[in-house]
Amino acid sequence: GAGVSQSPSNKVTEKGKDVELRCDPISGHTALYWYRQSLGQGLEFLIYFQGNSAPDKSGLPSDRFSAERTGGSVSTLTIQRTQQEDSAVYLCASSPRAGAHTGELFFGEGSRLTVL
Amino acid sequence: GQNIDQPTEMTATEGAIVQINCTYQTSGFNGLFWYQQHAGEAPTFLSYNVLDGLEEKGRFSSFLSRSKGYSYLLLKELQMKDSASYLCAVSGNTPLVFGKGTRLSVIA
Repeated sequence: GAGVSQSPSNKVTEKGKDVELRCDPISGHTALYWYRQSLGQGLEFLIYFQGNSAPDKSGLPSDRFSAERTGGSVSTLTIQRTQQEDSAVYLCASSPRAGAHTGELFFGEGSRLTVL
Repeated sequence: GQNIDQPTEMTATEGAIVQINCTYQTSGFNGLFWYQQHAGEAPTFLSYNVLDGLEEKGRFSSFLSRSKGYSYLLLKELQMKDSASYLCAVSGNTPLVFGKGTRLSVIA
């Protein structure tokens, strides 16, 4: 596609439920990043993919969070047993630059997650 | 550790010039980015500095001093549409680390 596409744009769920957030990066971009943005906070790094592998998953807050990427393209971020503190906007970004993180990031519009 | 500081909010007048400062401490350094984020929208790339000095791009300029761990974004001829959050981000040994952003309000 022309840009990074994320779905759903909005998700309201009950505490304890599992959610899946999807990211479709720009075609040909090898690097893919997940960040989350809470109200009044900066973008918090979650995980980085190079191709289908995740060299850096240091930002995942707990083992309830996991992500995968298949075919060097679509990525899914899964949050199990959601908690209220998981409420945030989850942003996906892709970059054509491999290796060092020096390439411009192209962000999707984000998935706004609200946990009741 | 890594730390990026920038002012939380700024207000400036339409047509004026505003400078948004950013100081950082990171492990390794591969460059400094500025992104613009309008409310409810995705961040968009504004500038990238890897060497010391000023990079100019239209009404926007970005400056970097690696020895001081300091950057600024300069916006000239402010327009109402420039009201947004401006995010400073540093690339080091890890993926981009973002500051909390500076919310700029442009008033008539």
